[in-house]
Amino acid sequence: EVKLVESGGGLVQPGRSLKLSCAASGFSFNDYWMGWVRQAPGKGLEWIGEINQDSSTINYTPSLKDKFTISRDNAQNTLYLQMSKLGSEDTAIYYCARGGGFFDYWGQGVMVTVSS
Amino acid sequence: DIQMTQSPASLSASLEEIVTITCQASQDIGNWLAWYQQKPGKSPQLLIYGATSLADGVPSRFSGSRSGTQYSLKISRLQVEDIGIYYCQQASSAPNTFGAGTKLELK
Repeated sequence: EVKLVESGGGLVQPGRSLKLSCAASGFSFNDYWMGWVRQAPGKGLEWIGEINQDSSTINYTPSLKDKFTISRDNAQNTLYLQMSKLGSEDTAIYYCARGGGFFDYWGQGVMVTVSS
Repeated sequence: DIQMTQSPASLSASLEEIVTITCQASQDIGNWLAWYQQKPGKSPQLLIYGATSLADGVPSRFSGSRSGTQYSLKISRLQVEDIGIYYCQQASSAPNTFGAGTKLELK
């Protein structure tokens, strides 16, 4: 069974950094692109970015490219999202998902709240 | 960036009714189009990929079609469990933008 479990969310002060993790199981992690999507409260889905199997290609949505960094550790079957200079606009549920292009499996999401 | 204009924003329909949701791409994306369903408090679920291919485990009452740069999701006979928000997503070129969503409710 494919499982994606996000962790690392919580309450963070404006201007601070936070790193999310996504633990993958039930499939060969190093064979797949992976990605991150977020959803602000009551809003739609926002594509953050994606990373290929060997981390040689990483794509971001332009508005987040200077704040967010996607990485992965294939030995640990884990995907990461490093977020910096967080603001209230970054308050959202963050989902990791499997796939490049289309996402066929999604994690349950982790909430990040940016507030003083 | 490629813009995905999704309509309608909300839709109220009766059980067994045919429902159609559309997405208009701002430029040619070929068949690089997916549809997702999100139920309240849940993660999105892939319904359709490649504009017309049904994802594993998705009921056959769901179908996708394409006419040029306009894409449609059709639910042939609406069921209670189909209530939720539907999103299109283009995967032709990064950033792989989503449509704004269509909230489907029961009449």
